[in-house]
Formats: sequence, structure tokens, C-alpha cells
Amino acid sequence: AQKITQTQPGMFVQEKEAVTLDCTYDTSDPSYGLFWYKQPSSGEMIFLIYQGSYDQQNATEGRYSLNFQKARKSANLVISASQLGDSAMYFCAMREGHTGANSKLTFGKGITLSVRP
Amino acid sequence: DAGVTQSPTHLIKTRGQQVTLRCSPKSGHDTVSWYQQALGQGPQFIFQYYEEEERQRGNFPDRFSGHQFPNYSSELNVNALLLGDSALYLCASSSFGGTDRYSNQPQHFGDGTRLSIL
Repeated sequence: AQKITQTQPGMFVQEKEAVTLDCTYDTSDPSYGLFWYKQPSSGEMIFLIYQGSYDQQNATEGRYSLNFQKARKSANLVISASQLGDSAMYFCAMREGHTGANSKLTFGKGITLSVRP
Repeated sequence: DAGVTQSPTHLIKTRGQQVTLRCSPKSGHDTVSWYQQALGQGPQFIFQYYEEEERQRGNFPDRFSGHQFPNYSSELNVNALLLGDSALYLCASSSFGGTDRYSNQPQHFGDGTRLSIL
């Protein structure tokens, strides 16, 4: 079974509008972390936001926020006030295990976001 | 503050050859992880090195091997290259989190090496 599911094949959003990118996950470990990365066409993976399984509040980082619904096992990324530079692939990833930052990341297949002027 | 650097940027090899990819971690990081990203897919974990030892390994054959040096830099070696090894190879670095189960430290990625097998 897939551990990280990203089913939206491609998303389009008008500049300055908000967009939600979906991510569902599957794990039996009570301690886990969820990450979102952005990958422009250049290939670099840019860290955006983190949500820990024990965090009481949804994570926010500037224009990025995470809609974390633990019971539904979903961790959707919300980008507010989209900019042309937000056009990229977006990956949801999960860290399981007991070694904090150094457990491997399991990635979803990604979502392509295109921002229209 | 130097980020994660990888070399070379691009590489073209033929089937059966061997290749070595290199990675220098972000300043202050001591752990290196390698990922393979096929076209249109998410990255897949290959292995992770800390204190010059392989600590974790993903579902990759023994043709994939690695090394970490005392300065924390790392190499990924792939032997007997197959067409299916064509991919973007990403290196990620982090600081060893020990027993901190709730660490929010992300792994920092390099720009990758794009490997093409002819």
C-alpha cells in the first residue's frame, strides 16, 4: 500500500489566489513527521513546511500553511496569494521511526502546480 | 553558508559501465542520504550514511553502494548500469537527530545529478 498518496495530476491557479494541494498518508507509527517540498524544473528540492504528529496546531510558514487532519490522515498544503514563481512540482513526504531527523523520507508522486498570470 | 553540493550535474553512461556521484553536505551537517528520482516520480530512498557507516538502506540492489568520508562528504557508486538507472540522483544532508523523535529538522537537498544511460 502506498504510504503517501498525491492523486491530483496537475493543478492550475490564478495569480494571487489561494490553492490547496492534497496529501494523504498511511502509517502505524504514532510518531511521524510530514514535510512538503517544492521542486522547480531545475531539480532542487526546497523545504517548505513541517508538521509533527504530536503538534497541536497546524503549521504555518509565511504563505504556506498545512491543513493537518490526523484522524483522516491528511496533510494538505495551502498556498495563499499564489505567485508565478510558485509554479513547480510539490511533494509530500513522511518520516517514520525513532531517530528524528535522520529516518528516511517516503515521498508521494508529486503534484504539478501552474500559476497563471 | 554553503548548501548541499553535488557533482557532476549531468552524466551520460552506457549499459554495463560504472558511475560515481559525489555529495558535500551542508555546513554543520554530518548525515547524508541518497535518493533516486525517476522521471515523473517522487524520490526513492537509496541509503543513508552517518559516521562513515551505512545506517539505513532502501529497496535497492547491491549494485548501489556508497561511502562517507571523515569530512562527511559522500559518494554513491552504481555498478553494471542498466537503462532503468537513468534518473535524477539527489543527495540530502542533515544533523544526526539521535533519539529526538520529534525533530522538525528537514533534510536539505542538493540540485542533483542527472544520470542518463544509453
